[in-house]
This record gives sequence, structure tokens and C-alpha cells, in this order.
Amino acid sequence: QKEVEQDPGPLSVPEGAIVSLNCTYSNSAFQYFMWYRQYSRKGPELLMYTYSSGNKEDGRFTAQVDKSSKYISLFIRDSQPSDSATYLCAMRNTGGFKTIFGAGTRLFVKA
Amino acid sequence: EAGVTQSPTHLIKTRGQQATLRCSPISGHTSVYWYQQALGLGLQFLLWYDEGEERNRGNFPPRFSGRQFPNYSSELNVNALELEDSALYLCASSPTGVEYGYTFGSGTRLTVV
Repeated sequence: QKEVEQDPGPLSVPEGAIVSLNCTYSNSAFQYFMWYRQYSRKGPELLMYTYSSGNKEDGRFTAQVDKSSKYISLFIRDSQPSDSATYLCAMRNTGGFKTIFGAGTRLFVKA
Repeated sequence: EAGVTQSPTHLIKTRGQQATLRCSPISGHTSVYWYQQALGLGLQFLLWYDEGEERNRGNFPPRFSGRQFPNYSSELNVNALELEDSALYLCASSPTGVEYGYTFGSGTRLTVV
């Protein structure tokens, strides 16, 4: 079993839709949870991070962490064609030497 | 502020050859991380350097090695290239002790033929 599981998609939605992206994990020691966005031919860029459980909102993006279920989500409201990219979840434990990434979900937002 | 820069952008090598990839971190960042992103496999952790020392490595064979220079730039060397080494190699940097949020470069696309 992988430490982090993420559905690779692709996920195709119409412009303006609410997008839900999810990851599950197995290591209960993870404390830092991150979402990265990666455009084609570019490196990943950090979108949001959350420490421990709870929600965090930043503009159209909301990150949720449910440690009891070992499940994290990223919601994108009013999705735009410019949101079309691969979204990677990532996580690490406090003092951990490496960040573990999900395989990434490919998202297409159609105009 | 300049971001993380990687060179070359693309690299084509023959099986059995050696490849050298280079990375310059953001000014002030002392930690450099290397990841391999193969198609469909996500990012796999390769190496972590901090303050000139190798701090840890992922589950890759010893033919993957590297170093960090006094100016905190880094290079990744891959010896005895195999076809399955074809991937995007990403370098990221962060300040020492930051628990989250690397800044990535755009990567080097290595193709082994």
C-alpha cells in the first residue's frame, strides 16, 4: 500500500463548477498537508498548506484535513480554464526528512 | 527574486552514459531536495542536502548521487544510465528547518535512449 493515494483522473469539469480533489494516506504521523499545482512543463508550485486537522481558505481554494479518516481535500470554487493543471497532494511528519507526494490528479476546466 | 533554476532544460543520453544535472536554489535557502517525476508515478524523493551535507536519500540505487557546493547550489549525477531513468528531475529548495512548502524549479527532462 502506498503511503499516499491520489486518483490520477483525468477530471474534466465545465467552467464555474466546484472541483473536489482528494487524497488518502496511511501514516498517522503526518502533520503537514500541502497542495501543489503543476502546469505542463513546469515544476510544482505550492498552493496551500495546513498543519494538523481543520480547514483553510484562500480565495477560491479551500483545503480540508480529516486526520481521523486520514483524508484530505482541496476544493476549487468557480473553476476557471486557467485552473487546468495537475494537482498534487503532499504531506510530511514533524521533523520528517522528506515530503511524500501523491501521484497527482489531472484537471481540465472547459470554457 | 530569482526562483530555483535548473540546467539543462533537456538532456538526451545513451544507455550506460552518465548525466549531470544542476540546480541553483533561491538566495538564502540552504536546503536542496531532488525528486524524480516519472510518468504516472508522481514525485519520488531522491536526495536532500542541507548546509553542504547529504542529510538523507530515498530508495534509489547508489548510481544516483550528488553534492551541494559552498554556495548551496547542487548537482545530481546519474551513472550507468538505464532506460527507466527517463523522467523529469525536479530540484526544490527551502530555508533550513522549514517543515513545509518547497519552491521547485522547472526541472530537467532526461531522456535515455
